[in-house]
Amino acid sequence: KNEVEQSPQNLTAQEGEFITINCSYSVGISALHWLQQHPGGGIVSLFMLSSGKKKHGRLIATINIQEKHSSLHITASHPRDSAVYICAVIGLPGGQFYFGTGTSLTVIP
Amino acid sequence: NAGVTQTPKFQVLKTGQSMTLQCAQDMNHEYMSWYRQDPGMGLRLIHYSVGAGITDQGEVPNGYNVSRSTTEDFPLRLLSAAPSQTSVYFCASSLLGGRIGYTEAFFGQGTRLTVV
Repeated sequence: KNEVEQSPQNLTAQEGEFITINCSYSVGISALHWLQQHPGGGIVSLFMLSSGKKKHGRLIATINIQEKHSSLHITASHPRDSAVYICAVIGLPGGQFYFGTGTSLTVIP
Repeated sequence: NAGVTQTPKFQVLKTGQSMTLQCAQDMNHEYMSWYRQDPGMGLRLIHYSVGAGITDQGEVPNGYNVSRSTTEDFPLRLLSAAPSQTSVYFCASSLLGGRIGYTEAFFGQGTRLTVV
């Protein structure tokens, strides 16, 4: 069973498009992370949020705790945004991470 | 520089060999963990630790051993490598926040391990 489901699995966009990646989870959580993994493998944490909305540059992350759903939005997408985006939740009570399988984003110039 | 240092970046082992993947962090994080990443699957937890002297199994612990003698270090040992352990391995750390919740997670650069 997957505690975290992401959609879509793959996404191709034209440069400049508005992009949304969705994450649904089935466990109680204390926080949710959005991670970015570039080709070459390194993983970077983009956001950690437990309620509401956070914005960093062109990236916006929202979470609805009642609906157990989060979205990652990228405004004015750029080829350098091409990466795999991973949703991860910190489950209660144990504090373990549960990961989605990732969304592979390709932004075409 | 603060962060998670994971070594080596690449490794090829023969079946039956043993090795240790190193992970160190200098942020005084209580929570450290090891994951493996396989094609088409999310990261899967191998072992984790909530502090020095405390370790526990994750989702896929078989064939791996860990110890946490200090806050900074959390090595992962492959006892007798098997081809099924060919994967990319990530170490991660974060603060434990209790009721406040967890802070940002920091990941190592990954180790691409091939067992032949």
